[in-house]
Amino acid sequence: DTAVSQTPKYLVTQMGNDKSIKCEQNLGHDTMYWYKQDSKKFLKIMFSYNNKELIINETVPNRFSPKSPDKAHLNLHINSLELGDSAVYFCASSRRQGASTEAFFGQGTRLTVV
Amino acid sequence: AQSVSQHNHHVILSEAASLELGCNYSYGGTVNLFWYVQYPGQHLQLLLKYFSGDPLVKGIKGFEAEFIKSKFSFNLRKPSVQWSDTAEYFCAVNERGFQKLVFGTGTRLLVSP
Repeated sequence: DTAVSQTPKYLVTQMGNDKSIKCEQNLGHDTMYWYKQDSKKFLKIMFSYNNKELIINETVPNRFSPKSPDKAHLNLHINSLELGDSAVYFCASSRRQGASTEAFFGQGTRLTVV
Repeated sequence: AQSVSQHNHHVILSEAASLELGCNYSYGGTVNLFWYVQYPGQHLQLLLKYFSGDPLVKGIKGFEAEFIKSKFSFNLRKPSVQWSDTAEYFCAVNERGFQKLVFGTGTRLLVSP
């Protein structure tokens, strides 16, 4: 069973479109994240949710809106896609905030904006 | 603000050579430390972690790392690399009690057979 699963794995879309990436974890974790990995492989946190509550928002443009319908899901919706949004987006989860625990990552979604 | 430095951006080794990848962080408080590996086209997998206790931690696949608090370092080592260790290696840090992982820029390791 996949612990953290993301869909789709690949996403190619035109500038200006709106797209969503879905993430689900079956680990029973309370905290979920979105990370962005750019073309130079640099990883940076975008959002963190703890029990459906937004905890971290790292100065991400308003075009990016995370949604957590329940603590097992954290979806990422992106409006008006731009070329610079092309990257690999990783979802992750961990046990409750404050615990010393590692994050488990999904397979990533490679987004290409043309 | 926390930051993580990985000084080796690209490392090329022959099989059976020893590996040491440097990681330094800047944060004065108590931290948790991690090394993740990303094989080509795959997601990040945890190699090892340090929360407290013995500063020498052992991870999967023969990797180990040593936390030296006075040097703010958490270097990754492996005595003898294999071709299958070719991957990108990321050091990461989070402040104890908070889940925001800050990653280093990564080190691309290429092991030639």
